[in-house]
Amino acid sequence: SQQGEEDPQALSIQEGENATMNCSYKTSINNLQWYRQNSGRGLVHLILIRSNEREKHSGRLRVTLDTSKKSSSLLITASRAADTASYFCATDASGGYGNKLVFGAGTILRVKS
Amino acid sequence: DAGVIQSPRHEVTEMGQEVTLRCKPISGHNSLFWYRQTMMRGLELLIYFNNNVPIDDSGMPEDRFSAKMPNASFSTLKIQPSEPRDSAVYFCASSLADLGSYEQYFGPGTRLTVT
Repeated sequence: SQQGEEDPQALSIQEGENATMNCSYKTSINNLQWYRQNSGRGLVHLILIRSNEREKHSGRLRVTLDTSKKSSSLLITASRAADTASYFCATDASGGYGNKLVFGAGTILRVKS
Repeated sequence: DAGVIQSPRHEVTEMGQEVTLRCKPISGHNSLFWYRQTMMRGLELLIYFNNNVPIDDSGMPEDRFSAKMPNASFSTLKIQPSEPRDSAVYFCASSLADLGSYEQYFGPGTRLTVT
């Protein structure tokens, strides 16, 4: 079952604009991760934010986490055509071995040049 | 590092045939995950291993699916007999799971088509 639900399902913007994707989840988490998937490829890890963090930056990426609302957002600033991909949030609620992740349905981002 | 290696990249088979998907995780990683991705159901975790031991196989759809990890550098996912509804992209991922939580590294996937 999917714990994370992304919003919107699809997003189309012009190159240079910012893109914001949201993720909501249902249970308590250890951390939340965002992944990107280019067409026909495997997922690539972008950024991880722990449950005790509220904001994190990595290059043009900014992630926020609100555990009281059980939600997260991913902001991509100054988007490029190469950012066109599907973006997934994944929640880690495991308390034991490994880091079992539950992925959302994803947001399809299209950046037009 | 070569990353997670999966083979074959594409597999086309007829209903009823046995299918074996293979995965080589990143050296040094101690957790391995098998996922299935379809348009209808998204990305589903089938099974994961920690230190070669299956920890959670609750996502394995039926007894037709089985997975093994005989050593730290190799895992297989087998479907016997295969059915058209098994058509999907199957991903293997690995991670270094320790006291904290770490990102997963995905392979390129195997696109399975069962006719």
